[in-house]
Amino acid sequence: DGGITQSPKYLFRKEGQNVTLSCEQNLNHDAMYWYRQDPGQGLRLIYYSQIVNDFQKGDIAEGYSVSREKKESFPLTVTSAQKNPTAFYLCASSIEGAWDTDTQYFGPGTRLTVL
Amino acid sequence: KNQVEQSPQSLIILEGKNCTLQCNYTVSPFSNLRWYKQDTGRGPVSLTIMTFSENTKSNGRYTATLDADTKQSSLHITASQLSDSASYICVVSDPMDSNYQLIWGAGTKLIIKP
Repeated sequence: DGGITQSPKYLFRKEGQNVTLSCEQNLNHDAMYWYRQDPGQGLRLIYYSQIVNDFQKGDIAEGYSVSREKKESFPLTVTSAQKNPTAFYLCASSIEGAWDTDTQYFGPGTRLTVL
Repeated sequence: KNQVEQSPQSLIILEGKNCTLQCNYTVSPFSNLRWYKQDTGRGPVSLTIMTFSENTKSNGRYTATLDADTKQSSLHITASQLSDSASYICVVSDPMDSNYQLIWGAGTKLIIKP
């Protein structure tokens, strides 16, 4: 997991509530990413940020929001608009966000369950 | 739509045996192909990365091969250990995608039995 931390490891939410997942890295990487992992599917990109104060939508950004106010931090908010939020969420970082050359380093993940 | 398909979905082998995992992709051209190892409940960890011009890449007991003509890659694990139990994910980089370029396979779940 290197220098990337995610918290909490497990999170339970009632329907209609917003929750924020934390992601911090001390690798001095410019780029950070949020993925969602569901059983039997490949990772799907939610949001990514290649520089502070800038971020881009991925494949499945609806119902999610992010901020990138500091280089080290990239929190993800799962809003009540996300219809099926129960999943395993993975945060990653890479040196500069070059998709074809960078290696992404992942955190340990947060498992979100909606009750 | 570009895809990455992995087989088998799951595999059980005895400790000490060898195994080979398959990855078929439709992305063409592509920049590189990666294999990641993901322990249960953890984030993926990079094992190998190959460009389109490379045929093989090793990382200890892990050897990845690439056939760009048939659009196939394989990951061979030699003398398996209990710690090899994990999911193995194939990822292809699509240089024609102007927004983001990684296409992730669903993974092969490997179980090593003592």
